[in-house]
Amino acid sequence: DAKTTQPTSMDCAEGRAANLPCNHSTISGNEYVYWYRQIHSQGPQYIIHGLKNNETNEMASLIITEDRKSSTLILPHATLRDTAVYYCIVRVGAAGNKLTFGGGTRVLVKP
Amino acid sequence: GAVVSQHPSWVICKSGTSVKIECRSLDFQATTMFWYRQFPKQSLMLMATSNEGSKATYEQGVEKDKFLINHASLTLSTLTVTSAHPEDSSFYICSARPTTGDGQPQHFGDGTRLSIL
Repeated sequence: DAKTTQPTSMDCAEGRAANLPCNHSTISGNEYVYWYRQIHSQGPQYIIHGLKNNETNEMASLIITEDRKSSTLILPHATLRDTAVYYCIVRVGAAGNKLTFGGGTRVLVKP
Repeated sequence: GAVVSQHPSWVICKSGTSVKIECRSLDFQATTMFWYRQFPKQSLMLMATSNEGSKATYEQGVEKDKFLINHASLTLSTLTVTSAHPEDSSFYICSARPTTGDGQPQHFGDGTRLSIL
């Protein structure tokens, strides 16, 4: 699986958009980009994923660059409950393929 | 959405006891489930891949005789920590994804906090 690089931490203002970057310059053509977050003492929560096109759901938007070497997760209106560690993972989409977690980005939403 | 249920949420037991943790996919079938372990202030580390009807695949350094995995049906995988000792105390998390459909995301249980006294 392709390795990802994320900032170690970032602060966001409550009510503002939070933009979380992820670099995956060695991504293969059949690898998806997945975003998860982990709130303290809970299991990871799935946020969104994509292959080539930008995606949006009720939680967030995912912007993937045209060359697919990087992506950005956008939380449109950050709340205090969005404080968590966010993980960007790339992986082939088949059922048996495991997820490898890196260090993620520790996001602190401040009032 | 897809839901993965993990039980128990937490367990405290004496050293030498064996502890079983269950992971269920509630609204989908999963040929493959995954077991992770997380120590304080660290990221999730994959322990093993659980395959329905066959033996689990363990990551390097994980003792298969210590962490017994059974995946008897398409909706249930169990992890048994045998003869648990204080160093086995950790946060154990399972995940599963629907069998069909390329690119489907994995969904995680809420984790089991295991404390060995």
